[in-house]
Amino acid sequence: DAKTTQPNSMESNEEEPVHLPCNHSTISGTDYIHWYRQLPSQGPEYVIHGLTSNVNNRMASLAIAEDRKSSTLILHRATLRDAAVYYCILRDVTGGGADGLTFGKGTHLIIQP
Amino acid sequence: SQTIHQWPATLVQPVGSPLSLECTVEGTSNPNLYWYRQAAGRGLQLLFYSVGIGQISSEVPQNLSASRPQDRQFILSSKKLLLSDSGFYLCAWSAALHPNYGYTFGSGTRLTVV
Repeated sequence: DAKTTQPNSMESNEEEPVHLPCNHSTISGTDYIHWYRQLPSQGPEYVIHGLTSNVNNRMASLAIAEDRKSSTLILHRATLRDAAVYYCILRDVTGGGADGLTFGKGTHLIIQP
Repeated sequence: SQTIHQWPATLVQPVGSPLSLECTVEGTSNPNLYWYRQAAGRGLQLLFYSVGIGQISSEVPQNLSASRPQDRQFILSSKKLLLSDSGFYLCAWSAALHPNYGYTFGSGTRLTVV
């Protein structure tokens, strides 16, 4: 899988939007961009994924740059429950998906009340 | 709907003892199954994955083994635990061999080897 770069940590206030960046300058045309988060003492949780177009779901939005070399996970209104480590992961078609996700260090998101 | 079960939630085992962690998936057929480990303060490391009954691929050499005796059952084992086997063990499943599908993780087993 191509490599991603994320800030080690970010801080935000409750009820404000949060923009979590991810750089993936070596992304290939067939790489999907996946986001997962891991709350303390829990397993990772799927958040959102996309290929080229921006994506929205009930949890978050994913904004993908036109050249696809970066993406941003947007939490529209952060709550204390959103405090977690957020992982940006690239998955490609040629890998077949059978070999699992490769997790980096992610971004530790801190939410202040 | 699909659910994934992992047990036990916590486990304390002496060095040299055997290990068996079980993971089952409900509500789907022929899932891809994965075992991950997260050592204290470290990232998630893929240990094993399986695309079908009896088919196991190992990502890293170690003191552990995995088996898939049934379509929706994945077992992680060790004959003799080491202190370094302590960690948070997570099972996950995916519906298809394509990155346009997400992965669902279990709640994990926290193993402490003493």
